[in-house]
Amino acid sequence: GAVVSQHPSWVICKSGTSVKIECRSLDFQATTMFWYRQFPKQSLMLMATSNEGSKATYEQGVEKDKFLINHASLTLSTLTVTSAHPEDSSFYICSARDPNIQYFGAGTRLSVL
Amino acid sequence: GNSVTQMEGPVTLSEEAFLTINCTYTATGYPSLFWYVQYPGEGLQLLLKATKADDKGSNKGFEATYRKETTSFHLEKGSVQVSDSAVYFCALSDRRDSSYKLIFGSGTRLLVRP
Repeated sequence: GAVVSQHPSWVICKSGTSVKIECRSLDFQATTMFWYRQFPKQSLMLMATSNEGSKATYEQGVEKDKFLINHASLTLSTLTVTSAHPEDSSFYICSARDPNIQYFGAGTRLSVL
Repeated sequence: GNSVTQMEGPVTLSEEAFLTINCTYTATGYPSLFWYVQYPGEGLQLLLKATKADDKGSNKGFEATYRKETTSFHLEKGSVQVSDSAVYFCALSDRRDSSYKLIFGSGTRLLVRP
């Protein structure tokens, strides 16, 4: 099946700093990628839909200035958590669509101290 | 709106037991249905899918049949193994939605004991 690579797998940062997470489709082109957030023992919450070459579509309640998404190419989308705070600590997962199935990255665990 | 309801876990079984994880959905259109599995500390992996009524998805001994009359997509396996311990998510996507967004159920944790 299709492979989606997410990097880094784990990041620890100080409060107030920004963190960038990359999501790459390795063997296919993805015009649409998705970013999810998952709290411990809970389901995935869709944060935003990332479309190549255009602005991301954010779900209700997700701060677009806090979670910056860039989908500059058909194989790469990035999520930047700006001015991170402890409450942003979570497991972030991306997925890429090919063409009507979503393939998921392994996730990034963010810990903000 | 569209939604997915899964049975609450955890589900604890002995090895070689029969597994059923219930999933029902509500959709205004004709959704595609999926089961994803998440192993500890990892992202989600597609386990199986079905795109229309009466379709049966199957993979690695797991099966699920798309039942339009009961709006269900229950996951079954005849003989579970310890390595099947994971969280299982039922999901749907509305084919009328060009973005193919997934709507997930709450997930069911499966623990298989030796």
